[in-house]
Amino acid sequence: RKEVEQDPGPFNVPEGATVAFNCTYSNSASQSFFWYRQDCRKEPKLLMSVYSSGNEDGRFTAQLNRASQYISLLIRDSKLSDSATYLCVVTTTGTASKLTFGTGTRLQVTL
Amino acid sequence: GAVVSQHPSWVICKSGTSVKIECRSLDFQATTMFWYRQFPKQSLMLMATSNEGSKATYEQGVEKDKFLINHASLTLSTLTVTSAHPEDSSFYICSARKASVSYEQYFGPGTRLTVT
Repeated sequence: RKEVEQDPGPFNVPEGATVAFNCTYSNSASQSFFWYRQDCRKEPKLLMSVYSSGNEDGRFTAQLNRASQYISLLIRDSKLSDSATYLCVVTTTGTASKLTFGTGTRLQVTL
Repeated sequence: GAVVSQHPSWVICKSGTSVKIECRSLDFQATTMFWYRQFPKQSLMLMATSNEGSKATYEQGVEKDKFLINHASLTLSTLTVTSAHPEDSSFYICSARKASVSYEQYFGPGTRLTVT
């Protein structure tokens, strides 16, 4: 079983739509959780951290359910510029924390 | 900000040759740098963790004699792919972690290696 699992998609949605991505992780000791965005042939960029209480950044909302080991990302009012691959990332404990990446979910927003 | 550069951005080399990739933190000191590899339509896979002044820690399945990592200063780490083969063709990405923050990593723009 992969440490971090995501539906690879692609998710094809029209502009203005709301879309949600899910991610599950296998290591119950995972400490920190993130969503990264990666454009084609580019490096990943941090989109937002994910907290148990849920957090929102503009059109983006992230949720963490530790009991179910489940993370979600909701994008409202999708823009063409949101088209990218969204990577679910978790870290293990300790100061030498390593990022473990999911395979990513591809989003394509169309006119 | 926290800027990480990589050089070269892309490279084509012949099978059997060695290629060196540089990763630099431009505006901060990085005690730890990470090297990742990403094959098409796959996730980033950590290859090794590099700490300044000490030997790199390689992930399982990554040959340390083939992928030589040197982290000689707080702003520079290098990855040398020795005796490259076509199956080493991939997108190599480095990241750097600031000394004061335990988890946040800043990624370089990546190096696309093609071995012919």
